[in-house]
Amino acid sequence: NAGVTQTPKFRVLKTGQSMTLLCAQDMNHEYMYWYRQDPGMGLRLIHYSVGEGTTAKGEVPDGYNVSRLKKQNFLLGLESAAPSQTSVYFCASSLVRGDVDTQYFGPGTRLTVL
Amino acid sequence: GQQVMQIPQYQHVQEGEDFTTYCNSSTTLSNIQWYKQRPGGHPVFLIQLVKSGEVKKQKRLTFQFGEAKKNSSLHITATQTTDVGTYFCAGVPGGSYIPTFGRGTSLIVHP
Repeated sequence: NAGVTQTPKFRVLKTGQSMTLLCAQDMNHEYMYWYRQDPGMGLRLIHYSVGEGTTAKGEVPDGYNVSRLKKQNFLLGLESAAPSQTSVYFCASSLVRGDVDTQYFGPGTRLTVL
Repeated sequence: GQQVMQIPQYQHVQEGEDFTTYCNSSTTLSNIQWYKQRPGGHPVFLIQLVKSGEVKKQKRLTFQFGEAKKNSSLHITATQTTDVGTYFCAGVPGGSYIPTFGRGTSLIVHP
């Protein structure tokens, strides 16, 4: 099992460019999440999905869009990148069964917007 | 919305000293989870607490969940350099499976 993988690992964009971050999980988890991590700010939820074909906004959704066309993939899009979106992006998935909802994180994507 | 406060933000200790980080939620939780992130790495699940007043131990780590299910703590006894990293709590409110993360406590251990 690869667990949760993220593509790419690093990316540099210019202001106004667009890009898509790909998250894939092979654990058959229903829930998937996108977080951004900035120094001193912890992990902030951007968008999440509770199943294939569903998405919902998290704490900081502005400037991002997501899609969950397949259960194993969760895509995060930036239509017009801004310097404020410079961050480390983590994808996570979780298996929700009763009280158990442990999150498994990917290795992260470090994005710099110039 | 739900807020999860975590203190302190940073903690410097000498190797062998104890360490504690505290987590407080503005709302009652169904469960609380703890994660560890090594420098340059990604968060890794440590434990989940579900019951009021629950205490769980993992070797030198002791996790507690408050009686009111609104606060939690992580205590490390006799820290080692391998304990270096940022410890996050994540509170899940009742009726939801979506956690809110605290800002984390960064532990720095001096040999």
